Amino acid sequence: QKEVEQDPGPLSVPEGAIVSLNCTYSNSAFQYFMWYRQYSRKGPELLMYTYSSGNKEDGRFTAQVDKSSKYISLFIRDSQPSDSATYLCAMSAPQGKLIFGQGTELSVKP
Amino acid sequence: EAQVTQNPRYLITVTGKKLTVTCSQNMNHEYMSWYRQDPGLGLRQIYYSMNVEVTDKGDVPEGYKVSRKEKRNFPLILESPSPNQTSLYFCASSPLVVSSSPLHFGNGTRLTVT
Repeated sequence: QKEVEQDPGPLSVPEGAIVSLNCTYSNSAFQYFMWYRQYSRKGPELLMYTYSSGNKEDGRFTAQVDKSSKYISLFIRDSQPSDSATYLCAMSAPQGKLIFGQGTELSVKP
Repeated sequence: EAQVTQNPRYLITVTGKKLTVTCSQNMNHEYMSWYRQDPGLGLRQIYYSMNVEVTDKGDVPEGYKVSRKEKRNFPLILESPSPNQTSLYFCASSPLVVSSSPLHFGNGTRLTVT
């Protein structure tokens, strides 16, 4: 079993939809949770960063961590065609290494 | 502009022909790392460096070498490339030498080994 599991998609939604991207993990020591966005032919860029449990909101994006269920989510409200990209979750324990999910490919259709 | 620069962006080579992929960052970051990205496998770390002359193996180091002679540069060397090293490679840097510090990625090098 992989330490971090992410549904690879692809996920296709109409413009304006609410998108939910998810990752599950097995290591209860993980405390730092990140979401990276990767456009085609580009490197990943940090989108959201959360420490421990709870929600974090940044504009149309909300990152949610549920440590009891070992589950993290990224919600995108009012999705736009410019949100079309691959989204990678990543997480680490203190003093541990960063582990990436496989990435979910998202397409937002006009 | 703060960035991580990789060269070349695309490379096609033959089995056994030594190659180097360069990586340079202009942010004075301590930490640098190389990843490969393959479908269904995500990003896997090849090597990393916590400072000049300090390098260590990641999860998939076989067939690769690195060096860190200067803080800004971290080249990836394939002494004898094989077809299973065909992949998309990313260099990344971070200001802090902790896994919780966000990474800045280059735009990737797509390598094909025939």
